[in-house]
Amino acid sequence: KQEVTQIPAALSVPEGENLVLNCSFTDSAIYNLQWFRQDPGKGLTSLLLIQSSQREQTSGRLNASLDKSSGRSTLYIAASQPGDSATYLCAVPPRGGGADGLTFGKGTHLIIQP
Amino acid sequence: DAGITQSPRHKVTETGTPVTLRCHQTENHRYMYWYRQDPGHGLRLIHYSYGVKDTDKGEVSDGYSVSRSKTEDFLLTLESATSSQTSVYFCAISVGVHGEQYFGPGTRLTVT
Repeated sequence: KQEVTQIPAALSVPEGENLVLNCSFTDSAIYNLQWFRQDPGKGLTSLLLIQSSQREQTSGRLNASLDKSSGRSTLYIAASQPGDSATYLCAVPPRGGGADGLTFGKGTHLIIQP
Repeated sequence: DAGITQSPRHKVTETGTPVTLRCHQTENHRYMYWYRQDPGHGLRLIHYSYGVKDTDKGEVSDGYSVSRSKTEDFLLTLESATSSQTSVYFCAISVGVHGEQYFGPGTRLTVT
């Protein structure tokens, strides 16, 4: 059974810092990996999807990397802003890429101090 | 928001009563999902659908049933609600060849 772990569970940094959020998964035979953002009391917003054949995916100040062999992904946030404060979740589909639903990590709660 | 709406957005109900949550999408995507989110457990898959009348169980399906009679609607039913089903319920769709998932705004359900 796939397990997804996110470290740290919480992170508080001053505005302007570059930061890295970590995601690890136990079964390296993933089809893709998706990063989400969740604001308090809200739904999930898809940030980036990185395919198994890719090493990186970028969107604005966000950069996601994927290392399947080590079972790890990182989300890099450049020049953090207070508006980046949220919970960040990573998730993977089942082995083989079937549309059977995602397995989620428990998230990293990020606070950017003004 | 990928055209996903959920209703109701908030509901308080009593133990033992039936409850139905609705997910509606406007773009005719084939795959739809129901998840629940709980502190300490994160998001977990309840049921999913891969087409009209085609559904399957997820990780935490006990106590829940689903139906999909139209492409745009996916219903989640709690036949007899229990306090352990107090949670936030999210509907999602899968889009494109890579299966990127998009989520609805959620329904907060409290069972007293």
